[in-house]
Amino acid sequence: DTGVSQDPRHKITKRGQNVTFRCDPISEHNRLYWYRQTLGQGPEFLTYFQNEAQLEKSRLLSDRFSAERPKGSFSTLEIQRTEQGDSAMYLCASSLYGQGNSYEQYFGPGTRLTVT
Amino acid sequence: QQQVKQSPQSLIVQKGGIPIINCAYENTAFDYFPWYQQFPGKGPALLIAIRPDVSEKKEGRFTISFNKSAKQFSLHIMDSQPGDSATYFCAGHGGATNKLIFGTGTLLAVQP
Repeated sequence: DTGVSQDPRHKITKRGQNVTFRCDPISEHNRLYWYRQTLGQGPEFLTYFQNEAQLEKSRLLSDRFSAERPKGSFSTLEIQRTEQGDSAMYLCASSLYGQGNSYEQYFGPGTRLTVT
Repeated sequence: QQQVKQSPQSLIVQKGGIPIINCAYENTAFDYFPWYQQFPGKGPALLIAIRPDVSEKKEGRFTISFNKSAKQFSLHIMDSQPGDSATYFCAGHGGATNKLIFGTGTLLAVQP
């Protein structure tokens, strides 16, 4: 399978704990995006990278959230001191910027986070 | 100005019917409008997309109609099947950002 992959698929954690999610984009894609989706809503943008550079962050991304893409390949999203309001599906997407269809973003299966 | 408004919230059609989902946007700088299909527990899958320089695009049973002056676009699903039952999201992209702005989704049920 050459699509976007995310790990883990499900995470249950207690309030106050730290969690880290991983995303592996489609191999030749240079842009990687993180979105958050709550029940009954559309995905909301969190941040995106072009290669290893983080180019935009949403106001939704509080100080407790940090994302990295150290070598321009996979990315990690860490949430520190989790709160119940962080419970959501965290989606990763990738795209190939600089080619004809560079706006096409392809999503992974998501990581479902439940904070108890 | 970044919002994308989507309607209806839910829709039930019979097999073979033509469900229509509508979206309206505010940001005239948007230059790409995709539709995504999402099944429960899965990530959104890109279905079809349109640029504002065309008024219609067809791919298989899926058609996007685009009205630039009204800032509206819609998804039509021809000969709908029970397997099309899913949540559909429209989105806009462009302006000063490279992110997608999503609508709130339409839950479609196609009854056999």
